[in-house]
Amino acid sequence: GQNIDQPTEMTATEGAIVQINCTYQTSGFNGLFWYQQHAGEAPTFLSYNVLDGLEEKGRFSSFLSRSKGYSYLLLKELQMKDSASYLCAVRSLLNQAGTALIFGKGTTLSVSS
Amino acid sequence: NAGVTQTPKFQVLKTGQSMTLQCAQDMNHEYMSWYRQDPGMGLRLIHYSVGAGITDQGEVPNGYNVSRSTTEDFPLRLLSAAPSQTSVYFCASSSLPSSGNTIYFGEGSWLTVV
Repeated sequence: GQNIDQPTEMTATEGAIVQINCTYQTSGFNGLFWYQQHAGEAPTFLSYNVLDGLEEKGRFSSFLSRSKGYSYLLLKELQMKDSASYLCAVRSLLNQAGTALIFGKGTTLSVSS
Repeated sequence: NAGVTQTPKFQVLKTGQSMTLQCAQDMNHEYMSWYRQDPGMGLRLIHYSVGAGITDQGEVPNGYNVSRSTTEDFPLRLLSAAPSQTSVYFCASSSLPSSGNTIYFGEGSWLTVV
């Protein structure tokens, strides 16, 4: 079966660094995505990892270890606008032709001043 | 959200009514999917399609039908709405999986079944 776990809530202060962890168990792994979602809006793409290691993009970095079924999203120099839900999603093979994004339940990050 | 259009944005239905959520994309993407999002549950896959004429079930397909007669359109049909289908629905599209591709989401459709 498919299972993706991430913490439900996290809090942090402006300027700090926060790490959001994601562990997964899935068949036919084909990449891991991180999305940001503000309340009432659609998810927006943050990062994609398919090979082990760290991907850096500005204030955001994402790490993947396929052997451990583990990823994290690192947010640096936190800003108030980073308060949002962060979704970990794994693309996995559902059958011989289809793949799909399977999402975790999301981590709600609250940034305070 | 570039290129994925969902309608309607808001809808209230009575139990037992039917309706169709429309989704269209203009990026010539092969892959389209429908998700529902409920509080504390994340996004759950309802149905997906890898091309015109090809559809398959996701995690929570019961109560929903889909079809894919063209590359551009992927409507989601509720045949007999139930209160349990009150949710936010997102349509998504992408090119077939390749390294680094992203998935584009529509703006969402808020559905309430009373």
